[in-house]
Amino acid sequence: GEDVEQSLFLSVREGDSSVINCTYTDSSSTYLYWYKQEPGAGLQLLTYIFSNMDMKQDQRLTVLLNKKDKHLSLRIADTQTGDSAIYFCADNAGNMLTFGGGTRLMVKP
Amino acid sequence: SQTIHQWPATLVQPVGSPLSLECTVEGTSNPNLYWYRQAAGRGLQLLFYSVGIGQISSEVPQNLSASRPQDRQFILSSKKLLLSDSGFYLCAWSVSRTDTQYFGPGTRLTVL
Repeated sequence: GEDVEQSLFLSVREGDSSVINCTYTDSSSTYLYWYKQEPGAGLQLLTYIFSNMDMKQDQRLTVLLNKKDKHLSLRIADTQTGDSAIYFCADNAGNMLTFGGGTRLMVKP
Repeated sequence: SQTIHQWPATLVQPVGSPLSLECTVEGTSNPNLYWYRQAAGRGLQLLFYSVGIGQISSEVPQNLSASRPQDRQFILSSKKLLLSDSGFYLCAWSVSRTDTQYFGPGTRLTVL
């Protein structure tokens, strides 16, 4: 089955850029997603990218998709303390969405 | 617009007691519904999903069960809770199984 992997933890300083990475194994996805989970809350859809795109930019967020390497990344520019959360990537290659294990982003003031 | 509710928000139960968590969706018909469990800020474990009334698929064998008595209602149950059932339970819905999933606010369950 599909396997989606993320690093567990990322720490950055406020104002720096954050890059959260994700790798997947099945190249048949049509959509790839990024979700954000704040403490004690459900997952919030942050952004998504069509599999025929290489990049998508939405204000401070930039999603990059490298289909050859099966690598997805989320770049957050000018990271703020409010960006501290767990970020999940997901794809729909299987018969339903497959989620990565989540990356905890800690933003230091 | 569509909204998803979970009830209760927080629950503390003794070992061996029964459990019933409810999830309801508004603003859509015939949604696909999902129950996930998340342990202590970790990843998501898919427990059950449902593509229609009375249709439940179990992903992980355990002492939990799910039911879908109405189109937009999904219930997670247990007859006897275990300590290992503690966690954060998330309900989600989607238009189809390969579509975007939208999550509820979650229920924090502590089994003592």
